[in-house]
Amino acid sequence: DVKVTQSSRYLVKRTGEKVFLECVQDMDHENMFWYRQDPGLGLRLIYFSYDVKMKEKGDIPEGYSVSREKKERFSLILESASTNQTSMYLCASSLDPGSSGANVLTFGAGSRLTVL
Amino acid sequence: AQRVTQPEKLLSVFKGAPVELKCNYSYSGSPELFWYVQYSRQRLQLLLRHISRESIKGFTADLNKGETSFHLKKPFAQEEDSAMYYCALSVTYNTDKLIFGTGTRLQVFP
Repeated sequence: DVKVTQSSRYLVKRTGEKVFLECVQDMDHENMFWYRQDPGLGLRLIYFSYDVKMKEKGDIPEGYSVSREKKERFSLILESASTNQTSMYLCASSLDPGSSGANVLTFGAGSRLTVL
Repeated sequence: AQRVTQPEKLLSVFKGAPVELKCNYSYSGSPELFWYVQYSRQRLQLLLRHISRESIKGFTADLNKGETSFHLKKPFAQEEDSAMYYCALSVTYNTDKLIFGTGTRLQVFP
């Protein structure tokens, strides 16, 4: 009963390459999020989206962009990967605010990106 | 600025010992607080939220607005509680944006 699917579990890319991380949820959630998880730094929000074609910057958006063309899909894009973007990337989704499950995030399994 | 502080990177206890994972927050509004847990090789998942006021897997957490704290407690730790625990603060009602702490790794020894 996997609900948030991240397409790539492990990726290895070279500096300067363009990287796409894909996330799909099947719960009809309004909100979707991209976090990066680093030891000692916890989870930091990169971007989030509360509706199709809508996006808002999180705390560390520099070097990243996102795309949400369909409700179920939220993509994270690294236009030109750098070594400091080596990290675990977590996608999450949540219900519409006001719902009984609002503010509860469902996470994907993560995508571990290594930039050489 | 909104902030969540988890002062301990690592907490090690023996099975059966009490556990308290500390969490302090900084937020001028009305806070909504959560504990998320990540077991080895598993996804990050919700453990509990303060508005539910429930006990999950023997864990409880009480919001103390005076001390701006939301410490996670369990009276008797089990080996299966070993995991990474993150405290999180919801700061924007309409978009469910969560601010996470840096996490505390709990190790429970047999």
